Amino acid sequence: AQRVTQPEKLLSVFKGAPVELKCNYSYSGSPELFWYVQYSRQRLQLLLRHISRESIKGFTADLNKGETSFHLKKPFAQEEDSAMYYCALGCGTYKYIFGTGTRLKVLA
Amino acid sequence: GAVVSQHPSRVICKSGTSVKIECRSLDFQATTMFWYRQFPKKSLMLMATSNEGSKATYEQGVEKDKFLINHASLTLSTLTVTSAHPEDSSFYICSAETRETETQYFGPGTRLLVL
Repeated sequence: AQRVTQPEKLLSVFKGAPVELKCNYSYSGSPELFWYVQYSRQRLQLLLRHISRESIKGFTADLNKGETSFHLKKPFAQEEDSAMYYCALGCGTYKYIFGTGTRLKVLA
Repeated sequence: GAVVSQHPSRVICKSGTSVKIECRSLDFQATTMFWYRQFPKKSLMLMATSNEGSKATYEQGVEKDKFLINHASLTLSTLTVTSAHPEDSSFYICSAETRETETQYFGPGTRLLVL
């Protein structure tokens, strides 16, 4: 069965510390992985997709098919990174599964 | 945990007919519900935001007369695709949010195929 797991509901780090938001997936086919972010009182927006392999706002994520993971990383967290982060799996033409989200709090 | 359901999970209809999709928060009250549309190989597009008891706020480019949204209660929102056409074929996904947590809980999605 297709599944996305974000094991941490809340992650608190200090400003300047490295950040890693975990995402694991389960899918037998060829997955498309995304990270979405929602800042307080704003709409959900796409942060990263694995096929583009780009860095947005200092965040990167590498698809590891062996570990079925797509962890989101940033070497130095900033206070403005505080937000809800959702990992999503695109499986097939019309199927999209979201994780339950991780709230990142960056402390001053 | 919070669960959001959508019904139906998939629907096939003829061009010109209307289709209603339900989004329910099963064990919590959702002050806000969102409707998204996903095109193949692309990310989600927010269609509209609805708050219980008030009119939905539509995103630019989304036809409010074509995509009718009703948020009649704190646990139910419906999206009606009126006079559906093949280009409306897509994957529609809803999410529900509580004011207290500002966390979105996503439904499993509905695949719509218009012939």
